[in-house]
Amino acid sequence: AQSVTQLDSQVPVFEEAPVELRCNYSSSVSVYLFWYVQYPNQGLQLLLKYLSGSTLVKGINGFEAEFNKSQTSFHLRKPSVHISDTAEYFCAVSDRGSTLGRLYFGRGTQLTVWP
Amino acid sequence: DSGVTQTPKHLITATGQRVTLRCSPRSGDLSVYWYQQSLDQGLQFLIQYYNGEERAKGNILERFSAQQFPDLHSELNLSSLELGDSALYFCASSGPGTRGYNEQFFGPGTRLTVL
Repeated sequence: AQSVTQLDSQVPVFEEAPVELRCNYSSSVSVYLFWYVQYPNQGLQLLLKYLSGSTLVKGINGFEAEFNKSQTSFHLRKPSVHISDTAEYFCAVSDRGSTLGRLYFGRGTQLTVWP
Repeated sequence: DSGVTQTPKHLITATGQRVTLRCSPRSGDLSVYWYQQSLDQGLQFLIQYYNGEERAKGNILERFSAQQFPDLHSELNLSSLELGDSALYFCASSGPGTRGYNEQFFGPGTRLTVL
């Protein structure tokens, strides 16, 4: 079975500062990795995903994430955050070998950007 | 706008009642996923349908059932409701196929409150 751990439930940061949201996963099989963002009162939106190839993945809104297989991590980063980045961020995995595609989510990290 | 629609947006009902949540996937998507988001359990996969057939079940209670109709819209039926069923219910769609690398597009959710 797969499990996803997001190490920080809340991350406060000032505007224009860099941020890193941490994600570790545990799985007995190879996985695909995803980061989703949930703005207040909205559904989830895909930020980026790692399928294969380069371990540094770039997504929307200036976010990027790096896949580290040895550490089973997929941390999300942004060099300079804006007030509008305030949202909840979810790390998720799916089974690479499965034909089902279901996602396993972490508990989420609430990012709050202060002026 | 993800292209996935969910109705109703809010639902308030009493314990013991039955409700139906409706989801219309993006045009062309054949897979529909249902997820439950609660403070206690986080985001949990409930069930997946592909082109009208059930493909996978997650942590779905026996009191809950779902179906996908020929026009590909899906309904999640929740019966004998309990206070603990209060949550945000998301529908997501993806396609073509059901592989784990397919992006899932989430609807805005239905917030269910059981009093």
